[in-house]
Amino acid sequence: KQEVTQIPAALSVPEGENLVLNCSFTDSAIYNLQWFRQDPGKGLTSLLLIQSSQREQTSGRLNASLDKSSGRSTLYIAASQPGDSATYLCAVRPGYGNKLVFGAGTILRVKS
Amino acid sequence: EPEVTQTPSHQVTQMGQEVILRCVPISNHLYFYWYRQILGQKVEFLVSFYNNEISEKSEIFDDQFSVERPDGSNFTLKIRSTKLEDSAMYFCASSARVWMNQPQHFGDGTRLSIL
Repeated sequence: KQEVTQIPAALSVPEGENLVLNCSFTDSAIYNLQWFRQDPGKGLTSLLLIQSSQREQTSGRLNASLDKSSGRSTLYIAASQPGDSATYLCAVRPGYGNKLVFGAGTILRVKS
Repeated sequence: EPEVTQTPSHQVTQMGQEVILRCVPISNHLYFYWYRQILGQKVEFLVSFYNNEISEKSEIFDDQFSVERPDGSNFTLKIRSTKLEDSAMYFCASSARVWMNQPQHFGDGTRLSIL
């Protein structure tokens, strides 16, 4: 059974800092991995999707990497801003079916 | 940008009552999903739906739950006899084509409170 873990559970950084959020998964047989942002009381906003054959994806200040064989992904946020404060969720689509399996998230606070 | 819309945003229901949560997926999407998030816990998969039938469901999705696409635009989740433990945020999602590795897009959710 696929399990997804995110470290750290919470992170507080000063504005302008570069930061890395970590995601690990137990079964390397995945179709893709998706990073989401969740604001309090809101839905999930898709940030990046990395296919199993890809190593990384970039969107603006965000860069996500995938090392499928070791079961790891990282989300790198450059030059963080207070508006980046949110919960960041990692989810994998296992190699069977089309559901997503989520991690518990990293709560990010960027202080101005 | 097209988005998934869910109604109502908050539903309060007495235990034992039936509740229907509604979703309008993105118009050209073919796969539809329901997830839930109990307060303080992970987002959990409930069910996926394609071509007017359930394609996958989790152990949570028991006989109390059902899904339907009553017309060309709506996708609903019905809980027949609600329990206190059904209190959660319920998210609807849709994706274009699974075999093209398309992302799932989520709505803002319906907060269901069972009294």
